[in-house]
Amino acid sequence: DAGVTQSPTHLIKTRGQQVTLRCSPKSGHDTVSWYQQALGQGPQFIFQYYEEEERQRGNFPDRFSGHQFPNYSSELNVNALLLGDSALYLCASSLAAGGRYTQYFGPGTRLTVL
Amino acid sequence: GDSVTQMEGPVTLSEEAFLTINCTYTATGYPSLFWYVQYPGEGLQLLLKATKADDKGSNKGFEATYRKETTSFHLEKGSVQVSDSAVYFCALMLSNFGNEKLTFGTGTRLTIIP
Repeated sequence: DAGVTQSPTHLIKTRGQQVTLRCSPKSGHDTVSWYQQALGQGPQFIFQYYEEEERQRGNFPDRFSGHQFPNYSSELNVNALLLGDSALYLCASSLAAGGRYTQYFGPGTRLTVL
Repeated sequence: GDSVTQMEGPVTLSEEAFLTINCTYTATGYPSLFWYVQYPGEGLQLLLKATKADDKGSNKGFEATYRKETTSFHLEKGSVQVSDSAVYFCALMLSNFGNEKLTFGTGTRLTIIP
C-alpha cells in the first residue's frame, strides 16, 4: 500500500521566482492538506483540498495557491518567493468519511529560497 | 484560538529511562489529540491518537491518555531506546467535517544516549 508521496525532495529557488510542489495521497484517500514547517518549528496549516476545491485555509497570503486533480493528487504553488518561504513543505492525506480524519504525512519537500 | 503547548526541549535521557513529554491544549470544542514523531530528514509519522476523553492511545511502547479535566495529553514510555531519538509533536484537530486542520505544538527534541 503506497503511502503519501511528494516531489521533488529538494528545491532551490531565488527570490521572486515561482515554485510548484506535488503530492500524491495515500491509496484510497480523498483529502489533501498542506503544511509549512519552518526550521525548528511545528508545522503550520496552509490549506486543505477536498473534491477539487479548497475547503479550508490557514493564515497564509494569496501567493500560496493550490489545486486538486480528479485522481486526488494535489499541487501547491507559491508565487513571488521570499526568503521567509524557505521551509519543509508537508503534504498530508486523509479520508473524509472515516478514520476520524487521521492525517498521514509524506516525507516533505525542502524548499530553499536564496 | 486553538493551541497546543509542549514541554520545552531538548530532552536527553539514558537508554532504558522513563520518558514523559508534557502536552496541554486549548480548544473551543472537543478535539481529537495526536502525537506525531519526526526522525531526522523525514516527514511526520503518526505515533498514536485519542479521539475522546479518557481514551488511551498506544503504539510501540508509547502511551498517552486524553485528560479533559486537565486538558492534557502527556506522552510516556517506560523504557526508551536509542532508536526513539527524534522530534515529537503533539497536535489537536477539531473533529468536525470540514474543519480538519491539525494544530501543532512546537515540538520536543528527544535524544537517547546509550
